[in-house]
Amino acid sequence: EPEVTQTPSHQVTQMGQEVILRCVPISNHLYFYWYRQILGQKVEFLVSFYNNEISEKSEIFDDQFSVERPDGSNFTLKIRSTKLEDSAMYFCATRLDTGSVYGYTFGSGTRLTVV
Amino acid sequence: DAKTTQPPSMDCAEGRAANLPCNHSTISGNEYVYWYRQIHSQGPQYIIHGLKNNETNEMASLIITEDRKSSTLILPHATLRDTAVYYCIVQWDYGGATNKLIFGTGTLLAVQP
Repeated sequence: EPEVTQTPSHQVTQMGQEVILRCVPISNHLYFYWYRQILGQKVEFLVSFYNNEISEKSEIFDDQFSVERPDGSNFTLKIRSTKLEDSAMYFCATRLDTGSVYGYTFGSGTRLTVV
Repeated sequence: DAKTTQPPSMDCAEGRAANLPCNHSTISGNEYVYWYRQIHSQGPQYIIHGLKNNETNEMASLIITEDRKSSTLILPHATLRDTAVYYCIVQWDYGGATNKLIFGTGTLLAVQP
């Protein structure tokens, strides 16, 4: 079964450093998403991406965050200057198309720890 | 905010059916009911979805009441590996939009040996 692959699985970074989280979507999927989950809290939507541009973003997704597909395959989330409160699991999700018959496939996540 | 209400936790004996309820009294006619689960901080996993008819797949069955204000996810023979947080999500999903999933707090199902 096709998978969404996320790397690294765990990243530790110092406050103020930049981090890039990577996701390899399922090859023919068109819609891409990032979610995050702070320990013990809900899974929260960050951003959706389609046709090489952001479709929607949440209040969490401020100027410190950015996304791109630099080579047409990887889908990355960059946090420019990390804060302690950015510590969370970050999940990439992809989808072939919209419409009820198409499910979302989530990756296993990257655990980001900011110290 | 999530438009569903689920019990925070439930227990089920291994091998028995697990019945997870969800209330969605404000559901509109175009909105689907989706179920996802999350095993121990892994990425959420799709289980099943439906509009108004009952649905069954290899993982589970979904029973939606006639007025569509509530539904029940049934895992027919729960195993220890089914211990997870189960999310009931109501969403209007149509082509041409990106449609994010909005997660609530879900139900923690603990399958007991």
